[in-house]
Amino acid sequence: GQQLNQSPQSMFIQEGEDVSMNCTSSSIFNTWLWYKQDPGEGPVLLIALYKAGELTSNGRLTAQFGITRKDSFLNISASIPSDVGIYFCAGQVNAGTASKLTFGTGTRLQVTL
Amino acid sequence: DAGVIQSPRHEVTEMGQEVTLRCKPISGHDYLFWYRQTMMRGLELLIYFNNNVPIDDSGMPEDRFSAKMPNASFSTLKIQPSEPRDSAVYFCASSRQGGMPQHFGDGTRLSIL
Repeated sequence: GQQLNQSPQSMFIQEGEDVSMNCTSSSIFNTWLWYKQDPGEGPVLLIALYKAGELTSNGRLTAQFGITRKDSFLNISASIPSDVGIYFCAGQVNAGTASKLTFGTGTRLQVTL
Repeated sequence: DAGVIQSPRHEVTEMGQEVTLRCKPISGHDYLFWYRQTMMRGLELLIYFNNNVPIDDSGMPEDRFSAKMPNASFSTLKIQPSEPRDSAVYFCASSRQGGMPQHFGDGTRLSIL
């Protein structure tokens, strides 16, 4: 199935640094979601974006819905060790009753002390 | 509030055996989704239900896979007969409405020997 392209694939950063990752698609989406997955657990929703150009924050996390509707960005400020995990973007079309999520390939974040 | 509950958390069985995975969605959520996660293919949607009715099963790999939702609080994903290539983590997710974010369970890690 289709997957969204996420970059970078992995990141090693030091505690306190800011992190940026993005997600791009060849298709337009009406909703963008960002999830975080810890080992042995399911993805947990971080931020949901519903309008092109929308900028939304959740604590140290900020995400933006790209104007073209084909991309989204996630920034984490002042990273801490518990930010370690895999971050997934997901796009949703919301056409009629269609509710399929298309997931990105994931960005693995490692935070060193 | 209780989240999406999946059982079992881990399943190890021999190829050819029948496997049944179970999911209890969040109360009040009308949509239920089954996903499969592997290193090679990432998160793939297998099937989703709206108000207990299967809407899209185009992601179900083959006839060995079947899913049911007999009521609003329970769904099963069955594999019969199982094969080693079915080994993966299977997630269940639910959402309140079609366009609303999906909430994931902690998954069932399935190993077929």
